[in-house]
Amino acid sequence: GAVVSQHPSWVICKSGTSVKIECRSLDFQATTMFWYRQFPKQSLMLMATSNEGSKATYEQGVEKDKFLINHASLTLSTLTVTSAHPEDSSFYICSLAGGTYEQYFGPGTRLTVT
Amino acid sequence: GQQLNQSPQSMFIQEGEDVSMNCTSSSIFNTWLWYKQDPGEGPVLLIALYKAGELTSNGRLTAQFGITRKDSFLNISASIPSDVGIYFCAGRYVSSNTGKLIFGQGTTLQVKP
Repeated sequence: GAVVSQHPSWVICKSGTSVKIECRSLDFQATTMFWYRQFPKQSLMLMATSNEGSKATYEQGVEKDKFLINHASLTLSTLTVTSAHPEDSSFYICSLAGGTYEQYFGPGTRLTVT
Repeated sequence: GQQLNQSPQSMFIQEGEDVSMNCTSSSIFNTWLWYKQDPGEGPVLLIALYKAGELTSNGRLTAQFGITRKDSFLNISASIPSDVGIYFCAGRYVSSNTGKLIFGQGTTLQVKP
């Protein structure tokens, strides 16, 4: 399967600041990437679908102005959490779509907002 | 968001025992996937199913795509301590052309040596 990396693996930031998380496909050209959020002991919740060269599609209830997604190349998508607040603390995971609709996930980024 | 019904929620078993978990949906899916997630890591794809009735194995793991296209199960035979983790099913609706997946709530597996 495809290899996906995320950076950073964890980050602590102060309330009101912005944080950028990178998701890279190391061996696959990903036209579509996905961003998920996972709270402790819960399942993955899709936040948005990121399409290379076009605007992301956000799930209902996800603020697009708060969670900025950029998919500028076939190997990189970024998620920026703007004006972060403690309730944004979570585990953020990206994935890319394989050729037959399977998804390959990155290792995740733990965000803690203080 | 939408979720699949995955059961059981958790299992605590003895090493060497077999394990079975399943997912059901009220809608028809055309893809079923099973993932394993270790603490602090992203999910890892275990098995992918694309056709109703399909039965696929990956080592000690076996999964099936239900013939109604609304369910799938995952079996683990002869469990070992490294099987510990959270197992998620995921499905793709027939009507979806985006590759978007819906996830089950997860089954937490603990194995006693």
